[in-house]
Amino acid sequence: NAGVTQTPKFRILKIGQSMTLQCAQDMNHNYMYWYRQDPGMGLKLIYYSVGAGITDKGEVPNGYNVSRSTTEDFPLRLELAAPSQTSVYFCASSYSGVETQYFGPGTRLLVL
Amino acid sequence: RKEVEQDPGPFNVPEGATVAFNCTYSNSASQSFFWYRQDCRKEPKLLMSVYSSGNEDGRFTAQLNRASQYISLLIRDSKLSDSATYLCVAGSGTASKLTFGTGTRLQVML
Repeated sequence: NAGVTQTPKFRILKIGQSMTLQCAQDMNHNYMYWYRQDPGMGLKLIYYSVGAGITDKGEVPNGYNVSRSTTEDFPLRLELAAPSQTSVYFCASSYSGVETQYFGPGTRLLVL
Repeated sequence: RKEVEQDPGPFNVPEGATVAFNCTYSNSASQSFFWYRQDCRKEPKLLMSVYSSGNEDGRFTAQLNRASQYISLLIRDSKLSDSATYLCVAGSGTASKLTFGTGTRLQVML
């Protein structure tokens, strides 16, 4: 089983560029989440979705956008990259809101 | 004050030792609690859920004290493969929004 997949694994962006981080899951999970993890810090929730067509802000949504057009996919969009967005981004999913979240392998983003 | 606080460590212990990690959470509305394990440069993976009655999974025992808002993890007979960062996690809301601690690093040595 693929589980939660993320692409790309690593990306370098210049300030002001935009990009989309891809996340897909094949477990038919309703809930999906985007987190960022800065060095020595805990994971911070950026956005989450409880089902196709429904998204909501987490703790640190500024500078990001999401969409959820299908159950499987939950892309994260950075419109104007800033050095403060240098981080490791993890996508996660769970079947219901009270169950275990399964994480993808992460995308390392460096903004210069 | 951080919502979930952990001692960052590192805890350097010999193989076979027993080690305990503690964690406190500030949101009294938290409903679910977990310990996740994160290896270097990898994604977090669930180690175990934490229940009020306490629960055990092999060498791992987790405890929750809701009155003190305190969570613990005990690892017995430590193995080299236990070396990792252990993340204390509290969940709240119907979407189970998780709040992660910064993690406690464990290094098990020969």
